[in-house]
Amino acid sequence: NAGVTQTPKFQVLKTGQSMTLQCAQDMNHNSMYWYRQDPGMGLRLIYYSASEGTTDKGEVPNGYNVSRLNKREFSLRLESAAPSQTSVYFCASSQRQGGYNEQFFGPGTRLTVL
Amino acid sequence: GEDVEQSLFLSVREGDSSVINCTYTDSSSTYLYWYKQEPGAGLQLLTYIFSNMDMKQDQRLTVLLNKKDKHLSLRIADTQTGDSAIYFCAESPNSGYSTLTFGKGTMLLVSP
Repeated sequence: NAGVTQTPKFQVLKTGQSMTLQCAQDMNHNSMYWYRQDPGMGLRLIYYSASEGTTDKGEVPNGYNVSRLNKREFSLRLESAAPSQTSVYFCASSQRQGGYNEQFFGPGTRLTVL
Repeated sequence: GEDVEQSLFLSVREGDSSVINCTYTDSSSTYLYWYKQEPGAGLQLLTYIFSNMDMKQDQRLTVLLNKKDKHLSLRIADTQTGDSAIYFCAESPNSGYSTLTFGKGTMLLVSP
Protein backbone atom coordinates (compact mmCIF):
# COMPACT_ATOMS: atom_id res chain seq x y z
CA ASN A 1 0.00 0.00 0.00
CA ALA A 2 1.32 3.42 -0.96
CA GLY A 3 -0.75 5.22 1.71
CA VAL A 4 -1.24 8.89 0.80
CA THR A 5 0.51 10.14 -2.32
CA GLN A 6 0.86 13.73 -3.49
CA THR A 7 1.98 15.24 -6.78
CA PRO A 8 4.00 17.21 -7.56
CA LYS A 9 6.69 17.18 -4.86
CA PHE A 10 7.98 20.63 -5.80
CA GLN A 11 6.51 23.48 -7.83
CA VAL A 12 7.49 27.05 -8.64
CA LEU A 13 4.79 29.38 -9.94
CA LYS A 14 4.64 33.00 -10.96
CA THR A 15 2.09 35.30 -9.36
CA GLY A 16 -1.27 34.88 -11.08
CA GLN A 17 -0.63 31.38 -12.43
CA SER A 18 -2.95 28.54 -11.54
CA MET A 19 -2.25 24.97 -10.58
CA THR A 20 -3.82 21.89 -9.05
CA LEU A 21 -2.23 19.80 -6.34
CA GLN A 22 -3.20 16.16 -6.53
CA CYS A 23 -3.72 13.76 -3.63
CA ALA A 24 -4.74 10.11 -3.58
CA GLN A 25 -5.11 7.50 -0.83
CA ASP A 26 -5.42 3.74 -1.11
CA MET A 27 -6.66 3.00 2.43
CA ASN A 28 -10.38 3.31 1.62
CA HIS A 29 -10.69 6.22 4.04
CA ASN A 30 -13.82 8.32 4.08
CA SER A 31 -12.21 11.60 5.07
CA MET A 32 -9.50 13.66 3.42
CA TYR A 33 -7.84 16.96 4.32
CA TRP A 34 -5.58 19.69 2.94
CA TYR A 35 -3.21 21.57 5.24
CA ARG A 36 -0.55 24.16 4.75
CA GLN A 37 2.54 24.40 6.93
CA ASP A 38 4.40 27.66 7.42
CA PRO A 39 7.30 28.38 9.80
CA GLY A 40 6.04 29.29 13.27
CA MET A 41 2.40 28.71 12.26
CA GLY A 42 2.18 24.95 12.56
CA LEU A 43 -0.40 23.15 10.42
CA ARG A 44 -3.44 25.07 9.27
CA LEU A 45 -6.44 23.33 7.75
CA ILE A 46 -7.45 24.68 4.33
CA TYR A 47 -10.35 22.40 3.38
CA TYR A 48 -11.56 18.96 4.28
CA SER A 49 -13.93 16.35 2.93
CA ALA A 50 -15.68 14.31 5.60
CA SER A 51 -16.96 11.86 3.01
CA GLU A 52 -17.19 11.47 -0.74
CA GLY A 53 -19.44 14.19 -2.14
CA THR A 54 -18.90 16.71 0.68
CA THR A 55 -16.32 19.43 1.23
CA ASP A 56 -16.01 22.03 3.99
CA LYS A 57 -13.85 25.06 4.66
CA GLY A 58 -11.15 24.92 7.26
CA GLU A 59 -9.25 27.69 8.95
CA VAL A 60 -7.64 29.29 5.86
CA PRO A 61 -9.74 28.57 2.72
CA ASN A 62 -9.37 31.91 0.90
CA GLY A 63 -7.62 31.62 -2.46
CA TYR A 64 -8.20 27.85 -2.73
CA ASN A 65 -10.78 25.46 -4.13
CA VAL A 66 -11.05 21.71 -3.71
CA SER A 67 -12.62 18.79 -5.51
CA ARG A 68 -13.36 15.38 -4.04
CA LEU A 69 -13.14 13.54 -7.32
CA ASN A 70 -14.01 10.13 -5.85
CA LYS A 71 -13.33 8.31 -2.60
CA ARG A 72 -9.61 8.02 -3.38
CA GLU A 73 -8.77 11.49 -4.70
CA PHE A 74 -8.94 15.01 -3.29
CA SER A 75 -7.40 17.88 -5.25
CA LEU A 76 -6.52 21.43 -4.22
CA ARG A 77 -6.60 24.23 -6.78
CA LEU A 78 -4.97 27.63 -6.67
CA GLU A 79 -6.77 29.74 -9.27
CA SER A 80 -4.48 32.78 -9.14
CA ALA A 81 -1.38 32.10 -7.07
CA ALA A 82 -0.02 34.78 -4.74
CA PRO A 83 3.35 34.94 -2.91
CA SER A 84 1.45 34.48 0.38
CA GLN A 85 0.59 30.98 -0.82
CA THR A 86 4.24 29.95 -0.76
CA SER A 87 4.13 27.05 1.67
CA VAL A 88 4.38 23.31 2.13
CA TYR A 89 1.05 21.62 1.44
CA PHE A 90 0.07 18.34 3.05
CA CYS A 91 -2.79 16.06 2.20
CA ALA A 92 -4.09 13.63 4.81
CA SER A 93 -6.78 10.98 5.10
CA SER A 94 -8.55 9.25 7.96
CA GLN A 95 -11.30 6.81 8.82
CA ARG A 96 -12.90 8.00 12.05
CA GLN A 97 -13.89 5.17 14.42
CA GLY A 98 -15.84 6.44 17.39
CA GLY A 99 -13.72 9.27 18.74
CA TYR A 100 -10.49 7.94 17.23
CA ASN A 101 -9.43 9.89 14.18
CA GLU A 102 -5.81 9.12 13.26
CA GLN A 103 -4.83 11.04 10.17
CA PHE A 104 -2.33 9.66 7.68
CA PHE A 105 -0.22 12.23 5.87
CA GLY A 106 1.34 12.43 2.44
CA PRO A 107 4.95 13.57 1.91
CA GLY A 108 3.98 17.14 1.00
CA THR A 109 4.23 19.53 -1.94
CA ARG A 110 6.68 22.41 -1.62
CA LEU A 111 5.25 25.37 -3.49
CA THR A 112 7.02 28.65 -4.19
CA VAL A 113 5.14 31.58 -5.73
CA LEU A 114 7.38 34.29 -7.15
CA GLY B 1 -12.51 28.07 20.90
CA GLU B 2 -10.24 25.12 20.35
CA ASP B 3 -6.56 25.79 20.84
CA VAL B 4 -3.53 23.59 21.41
CA GLU B 5 -0.35 25.19 22.76
CA GLN B 6 3.19 23.86 22.80
CA SER B 7 6.60 25.31 23.45
CA LEU B 8 8.40 25.85 20.15
CA PHE B 9 11.87 24.50 20.83
CA LEU B 10 13.70 22.00 23.05
CA SER B 11 17.38 21.11 23.01
CA VAL B 12 18.82 18.07 24.82
CA ARG B 13 21.97 15.98 24.82
CA GLU B 14 22.01 12.44 23.50
CA GLY B 15 21.14 9.97 26.26
CA ASP B 16 19.12 12.48 28.29
CA SER B 17 15.34 12.37 28.64
CA SER B 18 13.22 14.83 26.68
CA VAL B 19 9.87 16.13 27.87
CA ILE B 20 7.60 17.95 25.46
CA ASN B 21 4.54 19.65 26.93
CA CYS B 22 1.17 20.55 25.47
CA THR B 23 -1.98 22.21 26.76
CA TYR B 24 -5.36 21.96 25.12
CA THR B 25 -8.69 23.62 25.71
CA ASP B 26 -11.45 21.27 24.55
CA SER B 27 -12.53 19.14 27.49
CA SER B 28 -14.65 16.96 25.20
CA SER B 29 -11.55 15.58 23.48
CA THR B 30 -11.65 11.81 23.60
CA TYR B 31 -8.23 11.14 22.09
CA LEU B 32 -4.99 13.09 22.14
CA TYR B 33 -2.17 12.40 19.73
CA TRP B 34 1.53 12.95 19.29
CA TYR B 35 2.81 13.18 15.74
CA LYS B 36 6.44 13.30 14.61
CA GLN B 37 7.68 15.13 11.53
CA GLU B 38 11.20 14.42 10.33
CA PRO B 39 12.93 16.96 8.05
CA GLY B 40 11.41 17.08 4.58
CA ALA B 41 8.69 14.55 5.40
CA GLY B 42 5.02 14.43 6.33
CA LEU B 43 3.68 13.80 9.81
CA GLN B 44 3.53 10.30 11.26
CA LEU B 45 1.58 9.21 14.31
CA LEU B 46 3.95 8.48 17.18
CA THR B 47 1.46 7.57 19.88
CA TYR B 48 -1.95 8.49 21.24
CA ILE B 49 -3.84 8.34 24.53
CA PHE B 50 -7.52 7.88 25.29
CA SER B 51 -8.98 10.50 27.57
CA ASN B 52 -9.89 8.06 30.35
CA MET B 53 -6.22 7.11 30.78
CA ASP B 54 -3.64 9.15 32.65
CA MET B 55 -0.54 7.37 31.39
CA LYS B 56 0.54 5.30 28.43
CA GLN B 57 3.96 3.75 27.93
CA ASP B 58 5.36 2.46 24.65
CA GLN B 59 9.04 1.47 24.72
CA ARG B 60 10.99 4.74 25.16
CA LEU B 61 7.85 6.88 25.02
CA THR B 62 5.69 7.83 27.99
CA VAL B 63 2.57 9.94 27.58
CA LEU B 64 1.07 11.61 30.65
CA LEU B 65 -2.40 13.15 30.62
CA ASN B 66 -3.76 15.49 33.29
CA LYS B 67 -7.40 16.01 32.29
CA LYS B 68 -8.12 18.42 35.11
CA ASP B 69 -5.41 20.80 33.91
CA LYS B 70 -5.83 19.84 30.21
CA HIS B 71 -2.11 19.10 30.07
CA LEU B 72 -0.42 16.44 27.96
CA SER B 73 3.25 15.53 27.94
CA LEU B 74 5.50 13.27 25.91
CA ARG B 75 8.63 11.89 27.54
CA ILE B 76 11.30 10.30 25.37
CA ALA B 77 13.80 8.28 27.40
CA ASP B 78 17.43 7.90 26.28
CA THR B 79 16.97 10.45 23.51
CA GLN B 80 18.93 9.72 20.33
CA THR B 81 20.05 12.00 17.49
CA GLY B 82 17.45 10.24 15.32
CA ASP B 83 14.75 11.66 17.58
CA SER B 84 15.54 15.17 16.28
CA ALA B 85 12.30 16.25 14.63
CA ILE B 86 9.24 18.41 15.12
CA TYR B 87 6.63 16.95 17.48
CA PHE B 88 2.99 17.95 17.19
CA CYS B 89 0.33 17.53 19.82
CA ALA B 90 -3.24 17.18 18.49
CA GLU B 91 -6.69 16.78 19.99
CA SER B 92 -9.77 15.08 18.58
CA PRO B 93 -12.91 16.72 19.96
CA ASN B 94 -15.92 14.47 20.33
CA SER B 95 -18.50 16.91 19.01
CA GLY B 96 -20.15 15.80 15.79
CA TYR B 97 -17.76 15.46 12.89
CA SER B 98 -14.58 17.37 13.50
CA THR B 99 -11.02 17.42 12.40
CA LEU B 100 -7.92 17.26 14.54
CA THR B 101 -6.65 20.47 16.08
CA PHE B 102 -2.85 20.62 15.98
CA GLY B 103 -0.42 22.62 18.07
CA LYS B 104 2.28 24.62 16.32
CA GLY B 105 4.86 21.92 16.97
CA THR B 106 7.96 21.60 19.18
CA MET B 107 11.30 21.32 17.42
CA LEU B 108 13.49 18.84 19.33
CA LEU B 109 17.21 19.13 18.70
CA VAL B 110 19.39 16.32 20.07
CA SER B 111 23.11 17.02 20.20
CA PRO B 112 25.78 14.30 20.48
